[in-house]
Amino acid sequence: GENVEQHPSTLSVQEGDSAVIKCTYSDSASNYFPWYKQELGKRPQLIIDIRSNVGEKKDQRIAVTLNKTAKHFSLHITETQPEDSAVYFCAASMDFGNEKLTFGTGTRLTIIP
Amino acid sequence: DTAVSQTPKYLVTQMGNDKSIKCEQNLGHDTMYWYKQDSKKFLKIMFSYNNKELIINETVPNRFSPKSPDKAHLNLHINSLELGDSAVYFCASSQDKRGHTGELFFGEGSRLTVL
Repeated sequence: GENVEQHPSTLSVQEGDSAVIKCTYSDSASNYFPWYKQELGKRPQLIIDIRSNVGEKKDQRIAVTLNKTAKHFSLHITETQPEDSAVYFCAASMDFGNEKLTFGTGTRLTIIP
Repeated sequence: DTAVSQTPKYLVTQMGNDKSIKCEQNLGHDTMYWYKQDSKKFLKIMFSYNNKELIINETVPNRFSPKSPDKAHLNLHINSLELGDSAVYFCASSQDKRGHTGELFFGEGSRLTVL
C-alpha cells in the first residue's frame, strides 16, 4: 500500500517569511496529491491539490510542486500570516476516489508575529 | 446549514461502555467516511461507504461497527470501549467521479474520551 512521509513535523517561521513542507510517497501509481489544513480545534479543509499531469499549481500565496520521478511533492506558503498557523497534511492516492487516500503525519506550522 | 454534521461533539465515558456517533451530510455526496485522529494528530481512515455499501474496512477492531441507513447518513457504533479508543473521530463525505477524486468535506469531529 501507499506510504506517505511528511517533513518537518513542526515548523516555525517569522511572519512574512516563506514556509515549505515536503512529502514523499512510495506508490508510483499515485497521481492525486491534495493538501489539507487543520486549524486548532477545527476540521481539516482542502487548500490545494495537484494531479500528476501538472508539475506546479499556484493559488495566491500557496503553491504545490510535484516531482513524479523522485516521488515527492511540496507545499509552499509565501508572505506568511498569523492565520496560516495550523497543522498541514499532505496526502496521496490514485485518482479513483478517496477510499485509498493516504495522509502524511502532519506538520504543525507556527507563524511568529 | 452545516454540510457535514456529526453528534455528539464531545463524549466522555467509562471503559467497557457502548457508544454511538452519528453523521449526516446534506451535500448529496455518494461516499462517506469515518476517520480517526489520535493524540499525535495522525489521520487514519477507518471505513468508507458508497451509496450505503461498505467499500473500505481498514484494520479496525470489530468492536467498531458502521451503519449507513441511507447515503446521507453514516453512523459509528463502538462496543466495549477501551482506553486506546480515545481520539477525535471525523466523519467526511465526497463526490468522486471515475478518474477524478473529489474534495473531502469533514465534519467538526467528535472527541471521545474513555476513562
